[in-house]
Parts: sequence; structure tokens; C-alpha cells
Amino acid sequence: AQKITQTQPGMFVQEKEAVTLDCTYDTSDPSYGLFWYKQPSSGEMIFLIYQGSYDQQNATEGRYSLNFQKARKSANLVISASQLGDSAMYFCAMREESYKAAGNKLTFGGGTRVLVKP
Amino acid sequence: EPEVTQTPSHQVTQMGQEVILRCVPISNHLYFYWYRQILGQKVEFLVSFYNNEISEKSEIFDDQFSVERPDGSNFTLKIRSTKLEDSAMYFCASSRRGTGNIQYFGAGTRLSVL
Repeated sequence: AQKITQTQPGMFVQEKEAVTLDCTYDTSDPSYGLFWYKQPSSGEMIFLIYQGSYDQQNATEGRYSLNFQKARKSANLVISASQLGDSAMYFCAMREESYKAAGNKLTFGGGTRVLVKP
Repeated sequence: EPEVTQTPSHQVTQMGQEVILRCVPISNHLYFYWYRQILGQKVEFLVSFYNNEISEKSEIFDDQFSVERPDGSNFTLKIRSTKLEDSAMYFCASSRRGTGNIQYFGAGTRLSVL
């Protein structure tokens, strides 16, 4: 079974509008972390935002926020006030944490390509 | 801001040749990783490394792969005898203990096996 599912292969968004990127995950581990990374056309992977499974509040980092719905096992990324520079591939990832304190691998979803239109 | 540095940015090699991909993790990080991304596909975990030994490896990380931390700063991935299907972007990442143990990635090395 897929551990991380991103159902939107691609989407367009108008500049200055908000966009929501979907991510659902599957784990039986009670302790896990959820991450979003941005991959522009240049290829690097840029960390955007992190949500811990025990965090009570949704994570926010500037224009990025993570809509964490634990019961539904979803961790959607919301980008507010889209900019042309937001055009990129976005990956959701999960790290299961229970059996190690740190250093566990990330499991990635298939990604969503976002194109911001002027 | 500290960053993970990878060299070279692009490596072209002939099938059957050995390649070494180099990474300089962020200086106070203790955990190191290699991932790969075949063109158009998802990012896949290869190996994690801590305290001078492999912590975890995936099925992809077979005997043709090895990792090493030869000194206090470099972290290398060696592919002993490259195959066509090894062509991919290889990412190095590092993390430290702390909130989220966030993994920071380098810009990647694009490996092309001809």
C-alpha cells in the first residue's frame, strides 16, 4: 500500500490566489512527522514545512500552512497569495519515528506540479 | 545559512564504470542520507548513516552501492559498476536531533550512465 498519496499530478493557480495541495498518508506508527518539500525546475529539494503527529496546532511558515487532519490522515499544504516563483513540483513526505529517536528515512509521495499563472 | 553541498552537479559515465558522488553535509548534523529520483518519478530512499555506520538501507542499495564518511566533513556514495538504470538525480541530505529532525537536501547530482 502507498504510504504517501498525492492525488493531484498537476494544477494551475492564478497569481495571488491560494492553492491547496492534497496529501494523504498511511501509517500505524503513533509517532510520525509530515513534511513538504518544493522542487523547482532547477532540481533542488527545498524544505518548506513540518508537522509532528502530536502537534496540536497546524504548522505555518510564512505563506505556507499545513492543514493537518489526523483522523483523516491528511496533511494538505496551503500556499497563500501565490507568486510566480511558486511554480514547482511539491512533494509530501513522512517519517515514521517510533523505533528510533532520529535518523529515519523519509517516504515521499509522487508529487504535484504547480504552475502559477500571471 | 548553512547548506548541504553536492559535487559534481552532473556526472556522465560509461556503463560498468565506478562513480563517486560527494556530499558535504551541514556541519553540526549527525545523520546523513542518500536518496535518488529517477526522471519523472518519486524520490526514493537509499541509505541512512549515523555514527560511522549504516542505520538503514533500502532494497535498492545493493552490493554495488557503498557509503563512506572518509573525514569529518565529506559523505560519499560509491556505485561500483554503474548500470543504465542507475541514471537518476542523487540527493544527499543531513539532519540533526531536534524538532522534526528535518532533513535538508543538497542540490543533487545528476548521474547519466551511457
